[in-house]
Amino acid sequence: GAVVSQHPSRVICKSGTSVKIECRSLDFQATTMFWYRQFPKQSLMLMATSNEGSKATYEQGVEKDKFLINHASLTLSTLTVTSAHPEDSSFYICSATSPGQQSTDTQYFGPGTRLTVL
Amino acid sequence: AQTVTQSQPEMSVQEAETVTLSCTYDTSENNYYLFWYKQPPSRQMILVIRQEAYKQQNATENRFSVNFQKAAKSFSLKISDSQLGDTAMYFCAFMRNNAGNMLTFGGGTRLMVKP
Repeated sequence: GAVVSQHPSRVICKSGTSVKIECRSLDFQATTMFWYRQFPKQSLMLMATSNEGSKATYEQGVEKDKFLINHASLTLSTLTVTSAHPEDSSFYICSATSPGQQSTDTQYFGPGTRLTVL
Repeated sequence: AQTVTQSQPEMSVQEAETVTLSCTYDTSENNYYLFWYKQPPSRQMILVIRQEAYKQQNATENRFSVNFQKAAKSFSLKISDSQLGDTAMYFCAFMRNNAGNMLTFGGGTRLMVKP
């Protein structure tokens, strides 16, 4: 299957600071990337859909000014948590896909980033 | 809107035995895909198996197979010869055709394989 990387794997920051998480598709061009948040022992919650070269589409209840998403190239999307607070502490997962391409007509997931806000 | 239900929050199985995880879904679509993903303690989501709804034949990947019942909207996962490394959360997921590859996930089943 396709390989997706995420960086950093863990980050600890102080309340009020911003944190950037990178998601890269390593061996295919991803026209679409998804960002999820996962709470302990729960399923993945979709935050936003990111299409290369256009603005992200946010799910209901997700603050777009707090969770800034950029998808500047076919292999990179970034999620920036602005002015992070302890309630933003969570596990963030990205996935990459290319709708319409048979070999990548599936979501492939990054390893996740654990964010802890002190 | 689609919904995916996994009715078994937790399951356990003895090593080398067979276990079946249940998944049902609700949709009015005719063309779609179904997936099982595994999330081990590392939390990396791993694709286990994929089924196209237009295919009547059940998908198989080594020790993993599915029982796809389209009329009943059921998509169970059978793990044969369970191994300790199969211990993980398992998520069933639905993808509508021509909808940007967006997934709808079930709530997950935590599987423990006991030695």
